Order: sequence, then C-alpha cells, then structure tokens
Amino acid sequence: GNSVTQMEGPVTLSEEAFLTINCTYTATGYPSLFWYVQYPGEGLQLLLKATKADDKGSNKGFEATYRKETTSFHLEKGSVQVSDSAVYFCALKQSGGYQKVTFGIGTKLQVIP
Amino acid sequence: NAGVTQTPKFQVLKTGQSMTLQCAQDMNHNSMYWYRQDPGMGLRLIYYSASEGTTDKGEVPNGYNVSRLNKREFSLRLESAAPSQTSVYFCASTTEMSTDTQYFGPGTRLTVL
Repeated sequence: GNSVTQMEGPVTLSEEAFLTINCTYTATGYPSLFWYVQYPGEGLQLLLKATKADDKGSNKGFEATYRKETTSFHLEKGSVQVSDSAVYFCALKQSGGYQKVTFGIGTKLQVIP
Repeated sequence: NAGVTQTPKFQVLKTGQSMTLQCAQDMNHNSMYWYRQDPGMGLRLIYYSASEGTTDKGEVPNGYNVSRLNKREFSLRLESAAPSQTSVYFCASTTEMSTDTQYFGPGTRLTVL
C-alpha cells in the first residue's frame, strides 16, 4: 500500500535559519504529493503541492520538488520566521477515481527568536 | 464563507457514553471525510462520503458511525465511547474525491475517561 515517511521532530531552529524537512514515499504509479501545515489550535491547510515528477511546488517562501528517482518531496525554506512554527504533514494521493489521501505523521517545527 | 466548521471544539466523555460530532461545509463540496489525529500516527481516515447519500469505511471505522445528512453536513457518532477513542477529530471536504486539495475544519478534541 501507499505510505509516507517523515521525521516527527520537534525540529528547533533559530529565526532566519534554513529549513529542510525530509519526506519520502512509497506508492505505485505517479501520485500527487502535498505539504499541509497545521498551526496551533487549527485544522490542516494546504501549503503546496506537485502533481508530476520534477514539478516544484511553492508558497509563502516554502518549496518542494517532486523527485521520482528518489521518491522524495522534501520541504525547504531559506529563512524561517517565528510565525512558521507549526506541524507540517507530507501527504500523497493516487490519481483518478476514489483515491484517498495518505498522510505522514507530521513534523513539528519550533522557530525561536 | 466559513469553510468547514465543527462542533464542539472540546468534549470530555465517560467510558460508555455516546455523542455526535457535527461537521458542516458551505463550499458546495460533494465529498466529505472524518479523520482522527493521534501522536506519532498522523491522520487516519475513519469514514468518508464521496457524495450525498453515500458513506464508506476508511482505515479505522470500528466504534464509529456516520451520517451524511445532506450535502452540507456529515456527522460522526460514537455509540459507546472507549478511552482508545481519545483523539483529535478532523472533518474535511473536497469538491470531488478525485480532487487533490482537502479543506479541513478546526478539529474537535475528545477525551474519554
């Protein structure tokens, strides 16, 4: 079956540091890949997505590139802010039909001033 | 637009009690979902409704029932709560099940004593 692997964290960074959160996946075919973000006390919201190999998703300074050869979709940001403190979920969805989303366990990011 | 709303935000139950978690969306979405979020396990799908009038089991349906009351509303019922059902419950919706992006409610934090 499908699976998504990411570290649970917490990842603690100082403000303006570089962020990488690793995500690897197992799936057949060519799934769509996502990063969702959950701010404290809120539901998940889509941060970015990529639907085919070598696509780069980007939003709010975050980026992730769909790497088919390494089955990875690592999240990066060049300079984090305190307001980026949240839990980040990597997820995948097979294309077509009634396909459900598979989520990773979520990585908690803490950014300190 | 309010998006996806959930009630209540918090609930404490005793073992054996019953309750219904309410979810509503005002985005005219066809598909709706119930997830539970547990530490170290990410989000797991409990039930989903691909369209009004249909419901199907997800990964962890035991101990739960659902009702798709109309296009807007999708409720989750615990008939006899158990401590293992202590969790945070999220409702989500999408235009269709084939659509990538899910929209989440703010969650219900349930504790079963």
